[in-house]
Amino acid sequence: SQQGEEDPQALSIQEGENATMNCSYKTSINNLQWYRQNSGRGLVHLILIRSNEREKHSGRLRVTLDTSKKSSSLLITASRAADTASYFCATDRWGGGYNKLIFGAGTRLAVHP
Amino acid sequence: DVKVTQSSRYLVKRTGEKVFLECVQDMDHENMFWYRQDPGLGLRLIYFSYDVKMKEKGDIPEGYSVSREKKERFSLILESASTNQTSMYLCASRRGGTNTGELFFGEGSRLTVL
Repeated sequence: SQQGEEDPQALSIQEGENATMNCSYKTSINNLQWYRQNSGRGLVHLILIRSNEREKHSGRLRVTLDTSKKSSSLLITASRAADTASYFCATDRWGGGYNKLIFGAGTRLAVHP
Repeated sequence: DVKVTQSSRYLVKRTGEKVFLECVQDMDHENMFWYRQDPGLGLRLIYFSYDVKMKEKGDIPEGYSVSREKKERFSLILESASTNQTSMYLCASRRGGTNTGELFFGEGSRLTVL
């Protein structure tokens, strides 16, 4: 079963606008990670936020984590056409003696010039 | 530059064939994973391995097996391919230990079973 669920499923914006994607999950986590995937390619890691952190920044990316609500958001500021991709959240959780990274279904972001 | 290499980007196989998907990483990572990705379902974990010769079932292991004879190589095997195994397969690795971190992904292997 999927741990993370992103919304919206798809997002279409103009260059220069901000894009916000949300992720909800169900069980306790060690950390939450966001990945990006260009069409037909592998995933690339963007940012990791630990369960004891509330906010993290990396360049134009801002991630928040609310463990009481079991949710996270990814904000991309001043978006560019090159940001067009699918974005996935993944929760890192302990279970059965191992850490596993479980992904959601992703948000498809289209940034129009 | 770190790298996870999947042997084939595109494969076309027939129902009932045995299929091998190979994955090699050059980062000396202990942990390796196989996911499949389908539209609307995201990535689902098939199998993972935390050490050589060690394997654990993920969420959807049925119809698959794996092999990890060497630390750098993790193979996914479809014993008898079926059309519902048509999918994108993604291999990933990361370092071991309790400080878990990011996954490094290969470019994916798109398998079509006819």
